[in-house]
Amino acid sequence: GESVGLHLPTLSVQEGDNSIINCAYSNSASDYFIWYKQESGKGPQFIIDIRSNMDKRQGQRVTVLLNKTVKHLSLQIAATQPGDSAVYFCAENPANYGGSQGNLIFGKGTKLSVKP
Amino acid sequence: NAGVTQTPKFQVLKTGQSMTLQCAQDMNHNSMYWYRQDPGMGLRLIYYSASEGTTDKGEVPNGYNVSRLNKREFSLRLESAAPSQTSVYFCASSAGRGAYGYTFGSGTRLTVV
Repeated sequence: GESVGLHLPTLSVQEGDNSIINCAYSNSASDYFIWYKQESGKGPQFIIDIRSNMDKRQGQRVTVLLNKTVKHLSLQIAATQPGDSAVYFCAENPANYGGSQGNLIFGKGTKLSVKP
Repeated sequence: NAGVTQTPKFQVLKTGQSMTLQCAQDMNHNSMYWYRQDPGMGLRLIYYSASEGTTDKGEVPNGYNVSRLNKREFSLRLESAAPSQTSVYFCASSAGRGAYGYTFGSGTRLTVV
């Protein structure tokens, strides 16, 4: 069957290099952001989150940077491994709790391909 | 801790048939969601349940119905399946609406022929 990764922007990196995946979000009022990883045939998996009162947050091998001025979010993966190959997408909470606008908004994703 | 469990994992339907996709979470989450995922389209919200006893339409509700059976379970029903409903369906849950992460199930791959 078709892969969720078809028609997505693709980032190809060499094993051991650092990866940077970018996301432009839509709502200047958004107050919470998440990065998800989705491997082929699986559901999205939470990686790291950040609130709007921060501009950087680090996890294990991952760092999320938030630039509210230009509504930009990035995910940095250090020492990328073949197991990091997946589709990565960001999500934002628009901080508007009226109706369906109170739900997370998901980006379409970037496919990361790691060459051994 | 199983998280979010979806059944079935795969299903093939004929046009016009009906079926129900089941979802259960064991995290005591208040909010639950149904998404469909198509190549190049990202995740699109079908229906959500902000809390037990409430359900609301999302971005693409036509052709679907939902039931929040109790706090744990949220089902999605296709009354008369159409080929356009061929997709991967994901259920998710969160502690509440707003600034909470979602936990996703592993998905149901549905093909309507």
